[in-house]
Amino acid sequence: ETGVTQTPRHLVMGMTNKKSLKCEQHLGHNAMYWYKQSAKKPLELMFVYNFKEQTENNSVPSRFSPECPNSSHLFLHLHTLQPEDSALYLCASSIGGKTDTQYFGPGTRLTVL
Amino acid sequence: AQKVTQAQTEISVVEKEDVTLDCVYETRDTTYYLFWYKQPPSGELVFLIRRNSFDEQNEISGRYSWNFQKSTSSFNFTITASQVVDSAVYFCALSEVRDDKIIFGKGTRLHILP
Repeated sequence: ETGVTQTPRHLVMGMTNKKSLKCEQHLGHNAMYWYKQSAKKPLELMFVYNFKEQTENNSVPSRFSPECPNSSHLFLHLHTLQPEDSALYLCASSIGGKTDTQYFGPGTRLTVL
Repeated sequence: AQKVTQAQTEISVVEKEDVTLDCVYETRDTTYYLFWYKQPPSGELVFLIRRNSFDEQNEISGRYSWNFQKSTSSFNFTITASQVVDSAVYFCALSEVRDDKIIFGKGTRLHILP
């Protein structure tokens, strides 16, 4: 596989479920990102990891819990979500920081019932 | 304050027409980077261009061209001889070095009609 992959591509979950989104990058990058894209809203940067360490959390509710076990993998653990959390969740990676080009995965379309 | 404005929410043009997507930005930083991404219906953001604040040369890549003007804080994107496959949402983004931030515009949805 090349580039940035995300699984699953689609996810429907109830408010009491626990699920995880997975992102994997095959580009040898050191930084990884989670974004939320809601309808009619700009892309919102949620979390940033550099060399496996979280360097940014943009006031994201604790029902979203990221995990970065190594520079190639990024997870977003979800629990007790709300319907307004329904969105496209995009993962990206870059060589260094945010001034470097970010390469995006195809996203996970999440629906919370 | 850091800001990216894509005033055109939605544009429709007939195939083979030229179309320009506008991007105006605000920043206090003297060193920054500008980006354009394309988001087709599949959802993935596809990187198109990265430009730093010290390089005002215009760039052409095939049917795509970019006009960077610091005097007007604009980084506009033109598609020449548009094709149906160009239909997508296009995002402009600004990344500042000093504040280590990145912000995306709200995007312009482009429809190319056959």
